[in-house]
Amino acid sequence: NAGVTQTPKFQVLKTGQSMTLQCAQDMNHEYMSWYRQDPGMGLRLIHYSVGAGITDQGEVPNGYNVSRSTTEDFPLRLLSAAPSQTSVYFCASSPRTGAPYEQYFGPGTRLTVT
Amino acid sequence: KQEVTQIPAALSVPEGENLVLNCSFTDSAIYNLQWFRQDPGKGLTSLLLIQSSQREQTSGRLNASLDKSSGRSTLYIAASQPGDSATYLCAVKGNTPLVFGKGTRLSVIA
Repeated sequence: NAGVTQTPKFQVLKTGQSMTLQCAQDMNHEYMSWYRQDPGMGLRLIHYSVGAGITDQGEVPNGYNVSRSTTEDFPLRLLSAAPSQTSVYFCASSPRTGAPYEQYFGPGTRLTVT
Repeated sequence: KQEVTQIPAALSVPEGENLVLNCSFTDSAIYNLQWFRQDPGKGLTSLLLIQSSQREQTSGRLNASLDKSSGRSTLYIAASQPGDSATYLCAVKGNTPLVFGKGTRLSVIA
C-alpha cells in the first residue's frame, strides 16, 4: 500500500489563479479530510468526506471546493488563490467515521501564493 | 466546541532525561486520542492511538495515558535522545472530525 499520497509537494501560485491539490489513498478508507497548517494556528480542518458523493465543511472552508466521486480520491480546489491561502496542506484518511480508528496523513503540499 | 491545548509550547531538555508532554481537551465525549510526531517541513507520523476505553498505550520508549473524565492525556518519553527532537501533536476524535492541539516543540540537547 502506498498509503495517502499528495501531489504536488510544492506549488507557487499568483493571486487569482486556481489549482487543484490531489489526494489519493489505496486503503479503501471511507473517511477523508483536508487540513491546513499555519504557524501558531495548528492544523485546521477545511473539508471532509464520509464517503463517495458526501462532503461537508470544516472550520475554514471559504475559498476551497471539494468533491468525492470515488472512494480513493479527494481533490481540493482553490477557486481564486489569495495570499492568505499560503500554507501547508495535509490530506488524511481513516477507515470509517464516528468510530475509533486511527487517521493516516499524507506528506503534505506546501503552497505559496504571491 | 472541542478545544485541545498542549502545554508547554516548547521544551528543551538534555539527552537522557525522561519527560512528559501534556494535552488537555474540553469535551470528554471522545472516541480516541492520537499522538503524532512532526519533523520540520515534514508530514505527521502517528505515534500512539488510545481508545476512549483505554487508560494507556506503550510503544518502545513512549507511553501515552488518557484520563477521559478529566480531559487529559500525557505522553511520556523515557531516556530522551537528540533524534526525539520534533513537534509533538495530540488530536482527539469525537463526533466531530479530528481536533488538534497546537503542539509542543521538543529539543533534546546532546
